[in-house]
Amino acid sequence: EIVMTQSPDTLSVSPGESVTLSCRASQSVSSNLAWYQQKPGQAPSLLIYDASTRATGIPARFSGSGSGTEFTLTITSLQSEDFVVYYCQQYNNWPPMLTFGQGTKLDIK
Amino acid sequence: QVQLVESGGGVVPPGTSLRLSCAASGFSFTTYALHWVRQAPGKGLEWVALLSYDGTNKYYTDSVKGRFTISRDNSRNTLYLQMNTLRVEDTAVYYCAKDGGSAAYYGYYFHYWGQGTLVTVSS
Repeated sequence: EIVMTQSPDTLSVSPGESVTLSCRASQSVSSNLAWYQQKPGQAPSLLIYDASTRATGIPARFSGSGSGTEFTLTITSLQSEDFVVYYCQQYNNWPPMLTFGQGTKLDIK
Repeated sequence: QVQLVESGGGVVPPGTSLRLSCAASGFSFTTYALHWVRQAPGKGLEWVALLSYDGTNKYYTDSVKGRFTISRDNSRNTLYLQMNTLRVEDTAVYYCAKDGGSAAYYGYYFHYWGQGTLVTVSS
């Protein structure tokens, strides 16, 4: 099983600032990585797939990068609705054994 | 727009069975693979199962193999998850999700999600 590790678990930043969230895979997943946002009491929603492709309707202030084992999600000009939980997910192995990171929570400083 | 509506959750004792349903609309149901993903209370996300667009290929996470069965009825635009021999650790919100790919290939990521249905396994 490919283990995904996100860091940090919680990040405190101020509105208007930029932030970078990290996700590391225990082995290479190529560019087969997605990012999700989950607001309290809601289902997750897709932000990024294939490591750097924004999903439909996602604003340009969300960007993903990386390949292999190291990935980042960068959010610029943080808005109040961005202070929620973010998960990464890999989809590189066969047969499929899709795994998520444990999540990073963005807190308002 | 894409809509996925789960139902069938509830409180059940360990060792019993439950069947979840996910009614889909707003897209060509027969063209896409579908998944179940779960989230234990206060915890992270765990992929449970994947079913191909035509129902022929099924994949499961190890902890549910032999106990859970994913299926679909393309005439009813509905996805199912039959859960047998339930354990306390199966307690979670269960989401159905549309795969990000198409009939030509799987995306293996989760493009759209339902609102989830809560399954509580407790004596």
